[in-house]
Amino acid sequence: GAVVSQHPSRVICKSGTSVKIECRSLDFQATTMFWYRQFPKKSLMLMATSNEGSKATYEQGVEKDKFLINHASLTLSTLTVTSAHPEDSSFYICSARPEGSGAFFGQGTRLTVV
Amino acid sequence: SQKIEQNSEALNIQEGKTATLTCNYTNYSPAYLQWYRQDPGRGPVFLLLIRENEKEKRKERLKVTFDTTLKQSLFHITASQPADSATYLCALASNAGNMLTFGGGTRLMVKP
Repeated sequence: GAVVSQHPSRVICKSGTSVKIECRSLDFQATTMFWYRQFPKKSLMLMATSNEGSKATYEQGVEKDKFLINHASLTLSTLTVTSAHPEDSSFYICSARPEGSGAFFGQGTRLTVV
Repeated sequence: SQKIEQNSEALNIQEGKTATLTCNYTNYSPAYLQWYRQDPGRGPVFLLLIRENEKEKRKERLKVTFDTTLKQSLFHITASQPADSATYLCALASNAGNMLTFGGGTRLMVKP
């Protein structure tokens, strides 16, 4: 079945630094990928839609300058959390959907900003 | 505004029984509906997709129904096992594209 790989699975960073999270579709091409954020015991909140070769589309309330998204190829999207602060600590998950199928999600990235 | 509701309270059932989870939506006309399983600290795993013109879909011990008149989907796990314990999310997608909107999820606990 389709596989989406997300890396790293866990990262701890100092406040003020930037963190890059990668999302790869391993056996299919994805012109669109999605980035979600999930708080404990809450559902997934869509942050942005990553579009290959063009700008990402951000959901209302999500700062595009803080959460930089790059979708440079049909199999890779990256999310960079810039100037991270403790309130950015969360579980970040990416997904992509092969044609005619449900979405496949990455393993998630647990970000802790100290 | 669009709203997707799942029972936020945990569902506790005995092993071997059938678990039934509910997903209701309002102000939405989804092209298809999906169910996912999520374990703690992990990304959701796709289980089943059902389209607006389908009433029911099955996969092994799983069954999903989709009633566009009632604006409701039911997710059944028959002969439930402790390994089925997890949070189950429903998600809707419109004709507009691939974007999914998720419900809050229901936690299922199957006791041996």
